[in-house]
Amino acid sequence: KAGVTQTPRYLIKTRGQQVTLSCSPISGHRSVSWYQQTPGQGLQFLFEYFSETQRNKGNFPGRFSGRQFSNSRSEMNVSTLELGDSALYLCASSLRTGYGYTFGSGTRLTVV
Amino acid sequence: QKEVEQDPGPLSVPEGAIVSLNCTYSNSAFQYFMWYRQYSRKGPELLMYTYSSGNKEDGRFTAQVDKSSKYISLFIRDSQPSDSATYLCAMSAEGNQGAQKLVFGQGTRLTINP
Repeated sequence: KAGVTQTPRYLIKTRGQQVTLSCSPISGHRSVSWYQQTPGQGLQFLFEYFSETQRNKGNFPGRFSGRQFSNSRSEMNVSTLELGDSALYLCASSLRTGYGYTFGSGTRLTVV
Repeated sequence: QKEVEQDPGPLSVPEGAIVSLNCTYSNSAFQYFMWYRQYSRKGPELLMYTYSSGNKEDGRFTAQVDKSSKYISLFIRDSQPSDSATYLCAMSAEGNQGAQKLVFGQGTRLTINP
């Protein structure tokens, strides 16, 4: 059974640019969440989607946005990139509330 | 003060030892408790999942939750070099419409020495 797939694995962007990251959840999983992982702050919640609706949002600026498609695939977008946005961005999917989340391997974003 | 506190270590033990990893938390609304293992350059892997208080065992791993003390633990028996990784505790409360947001500890870096 395929796991959570994130693309691309690595990205290098310049300050001020925007970036789109993609996540394909495990087949049948309708809940998709995004997290940012940095050495200083650890894993921080960005947002959660269920059946194309954002159910929960973390404390990140409006430059961070996301969406979920009807096939449960999800994308997140970061506009006007800053150096501090350099991080590992992780996507996780779950069958439904009350089940643990399965994470992908992440997209490592470097902003220069 | 962070909602979830976890000693970052590093923790180094000999092969075969029993390892104890712990987290404390402040939010009494947390109901779901998880332990994840993360190897370098990989995403977190779900090890153990517990709802509310109690113990759960899976092979060499035992998870304990004490909601009265707001304290959770993960025990690893007969530790192996392949257990060397960063261990993250995570917990969540159930929000409106079933929404869940995982709150993670900082992670404990564990090394098992052969």
